[in-house]
Amino acid sequence: RKEVEQDPGPFNVPEGATVAFNCTYSNSASQSFFWYRQDCRKEPKLLMSVYSSGNEDGRFTAQLNRASQYISLLIRDSKLSDSATYLCVVSSTGGGNKLTFGTGTQLKVEL
Amino acid sequence: DAGITQSPRYKITETGRQVTLMCHQTWSHSYMFWYRQDLGHGLRLIYYSAAADITDKGEVPDGYVVSRSKTENFPLTLESATRSQTSVYFCASIASGALNTGELFFGEGSRLTVL
Repeated sequence: RKEVEQDPGPFNVPEGATVAFNCTYSNSASQSFFWYRQDCRKEPKLLMSVYSSGNEDGRFTAQLNRASQYISLLIRDSKLSDSATYLCVVSSTGGGNKLTFGTGTQLKVEL
Repeated sequence: DAGITQSPRYKITETGRQVTLMCHQTWSHSYMFWYRQDLGHGLRLIYYSAAADITDKGEVPDGYVVSRSKTENFPLTLESATRSQTSVYFCASIASGALNTGELFFGEGSRLTVL
């Protein structure tokens, strides 16, 4: 079983839709969680951290469920510019050397 | 310009040749990383370095060599390239004080094809 698993998609949604991605992790000792965004043929960039109580950044909401070992990302009012691959990232020690990346979920927002 | 840069951006080589991918960062970040990204596997850590002269293996180190004689440079060498090393290689860095933020800064990637 992979340490971090994501549905690869693609998720094809119309502009303005709400879409949610889930990610599961296998290491119960994992401490920190993040979502990265990667545009086609570009480098990944941090989208947001995921906190235990859940957190919001504009149209993006991230949630963590430690009991079930999954993380979610909700995007409201999708824009064409949200089209990208979203990478779930888990840290087992809170340090950069232990960041494990999921394979990513591809989102395509259409007119 | 400040940032993290990789070279070459594109490289085609033949099986058995030695290839070195360069990574240079101007922030004086203590941590640097090399990842490879392949379809179906996501980003996998090859090697990382916590400081100059300190390197350690990641998930997929076989066939690769790294060095870090200076804080700003972290070259990755494929000593004898194989077709299975055809991939996109990303270098990344982070300051030691920012580890808990999880915010790695990535270079633009080096696309390597081994024929």
